[in-house]
Amino acid sequence: AQTVTQSQPEMSVQEAETVTLSCTYDTSESDYYLFWYKQPPSRQMILVIRQEAYKQQNATENRFSVNFQKAAKSFSLKISDSQLGDAAMYFCAYRRGTDKLIFGTGTRLQVFP
Amino acid sequence: GAVVSQHPSWVICKSGTSVKIECRSLDFQATTMFWYRQFPKQSLMLMATSNEGSKATYEQGVEKDKFLINHASLTLSTLTVTSAHPEDSSFYICSAREGQYTSGNTIYFGEGSWLTVV
Repeated sequence: AQTVTQSQPEMSVQEAETVTLSCTYDTSESDYYLFWYKQPPSRQMILVIRQEAYKQQNATENRFSVNFQKAAKSFSLKISDSQLGDAAMYFCAYRRGTDKLIFGTGTRLQVFP
Repeated sequence: GAVVSQHPSWVICKSGTSVKIECRSLDFQATTMFWYRQFPKQSLMLMATSNEGSKATYEQGVEKDKFLINHASLTLSTLTVTSAHPEDSSFYICSAREGQYTSGNTIYFGEGSWLTVV
């Protein structure tokens, strides 16, 4: 069965600095999708970034980028120029094809001014 | 982007009563919707997968008779918590997959619903 592991329950970063959130996963599949979702205090799940496993190039979305290491089954999220509004829970998620999303346990990110 | 609306956002009900939560895709057709439950400071736990026009597929350990899911149209799925008890109090989130059975289609989340059973 596929599993997603986030080993950092909490992380903190200074405003304008860079922080990296870790995620590893376990799967025997070769074709799948990986996601990072942000859940602010409002609890609304917001898609931050997605990565298709067949793509070698790391996905980027403005200040957010990933380091996708398929062989190592690692999918970390880098947030550059951190802003106060980035403070939230971040969930890494895996999905195979049209299947369900499998979430990690989450990392709480605090941003200090 | 696509919007998924969940209603109500907050609901308080008496123990033993039933409560219905709606999940609507506002600007796209969702053949598949997912229902999650989230306990405080925990991750999202998938309860069931709802496919339009067919019975929902429940995850192991989720009581299908207690959590009734109906997906009668391409834009609406409902979760009914029957004979609710205080331990059912939780945050419930729905999500909807845009489009047909195409691999990689984006999944959008509703705003969530807080259920408190007193």
